[in-house]
Amino acid sequence: ETGVTQTPRHLVMGMTNKKSLKCEQHLGHNAMYWYKQSAKKPLELMFVYSLEERVENNSVPSRFSPECPNSSHLFLHLHTLQPEDSALYLCASSQVPAGVQETQYFGPGTRLLVL
Amino acid sequence: AQSVTQPDIHITVSEGASLELRCNYSYGATPYLFWYVQSPGQGLQLLLKYFSGDTLVQGIKGFEAEFKRSQSSFNLRKPSVHWSDAAEYFCAVGANTGKLIFGQGTTLQVKP
Repeated sequence: ETGVTQTPRHLVMGMTNKKSLKCEQHLGHNAMYWYKQSAKKPLELMFVYSLEERVENNSVPSRFSPECPNSSHLFLHLHTLQPEDSALYLCASSQVPAGVQETQYFGPGTRLLVL
Repeated sequence: AQSVTQPDIHITVSEGASLELRCNYSYGATPYLFWYVQSPGQGLQLLLKYFSGDTLVQGIKGFEAEFKRSQSSFNLRKPSVHWSDAAEYFCAVGANTGKLIFGQGTTLQVKP
């Protein structure tokens, strides 16, 4: 595997379900990100992990719970979601910025549908 | 506050024609600028980036972009579009915190 991978690629869940999205990066990076991409809206940054510590949480509802067990893996745990949470969830990784902007590399995304 | 505007939501060009996608940004310091492309069902792929130096930046797939500080713009260009270029294009501005702000995207349709 190369680059950034995400599983599953598609997910359908009911509002009472609990599911998890997985992201794995094979680039030796140490920062990872979750973005939400909704139709006709700019990408929204949800969470940032740098050196396995959460450094940003952009006012995301608590029904989304991230986990970063190590620098290569990132999870997004989902529970009691709402239909408006249906979107493409993108994971990205980069080197930890050291005063400069590092390029972020994206995975293919998980297409989530909440019924 | 940082922001990115892509004025054109949808653009249609004929195959072989030239292309310019517009991007305007708002940022107080020297910006780091990116263009990404997203094909249907795929993630974002980096086309090119500007950090400093030469204001004309070359990228992959024959794309280039020009940074114009006076106009706060970073327009993407390609001299001859191919059908495979049909996709959604995102401009983004980044700070030294590592955070990226994306525009809403421009969907490119290529006519045969």
